[in-house]
Amino acid sequence: DIQLTQSPSFLSASVGDRVTITCRASQAIRSYLAWYQQKPGTAPKLLIYAASSLQRGVPSRFSGSGSGTEFTLTISSLQPEDFATYYCQHLNSYPLITFGQGTRLDIK
Amino acid sequence: VQLVESGGGLVQPGGSLRLSCAASGFTFTTYGLNWVRQAPGKGLEWIAYMSGSRTTINYADSVMGRFTVSRDNAKNSLDLQMNSLRVEDTAVYYCARVVFNAESSGFYPYYFDYWGQGTLVSVSS
Repeated sequence: DIQLTQSPSFLSASVGDRVTITCRASQAIRSYLAWYQQKPGTAPKLLIYAASSLQRGVPSRFSGSGSGTEFTLTISSLQPEDFATYYCQHLNSYPLITFGQGTRLDIK
Repeated sequence: VQLVESGGGLVQPGGSLRLSCAASGFTFTTYGLNWVRQAPGKGLEWIAYMSGSRTTINYADSVMGRFTVSRDNAKNSLDLQMNSLRVEDTAVYYCARVVFNAESSGFYPYYFDYWGQGTLVSVSS
């Protein structure tokens, strides 16, 4: 089975910072990789799909990139509402769908 | 689009519970639906999928043989029958709609675009 490992697991940053979260796959995967944002007590929200496609309605400060075994989610300028937990998801080892363990982004 | 889960609650180990996900705002039979759970303070775990036509069903190893997913396309409802519940099944259970990408070799799941608000299942004696 393909495993997804996110780094870092915890990240402390300030409003206005540029942050990058990495998702590494245990073997090369196609770009069926998505990123989600989850705030406490709420359901996950889709940000990025197909590694780099921005979901409709998501601010352009969010971007995704990568291929093979390494993928990244970048927030170009952190806003107060961006402090949350972020998950990557791999869908191409279907029928098994895998999530990374999550990256919690806190205010410094 | 709206997905609303119900049926969660407190159950003893070894017991059973049935969750439902009521869907609205889209053509129900066109989309596959998933169950994803999140244990308290933990990450997301995909556990089950059923296609819109009900012809394809998949389960994670952690629930295979204990959980059964079904859907009533006349009522726009997705269900999850959970038997032989364990303490480690304690979690918030979400239903989520999946969008597929069409390639020359077939259709592949692309992303989960809508999620319900979740329902809490607690397994404890």
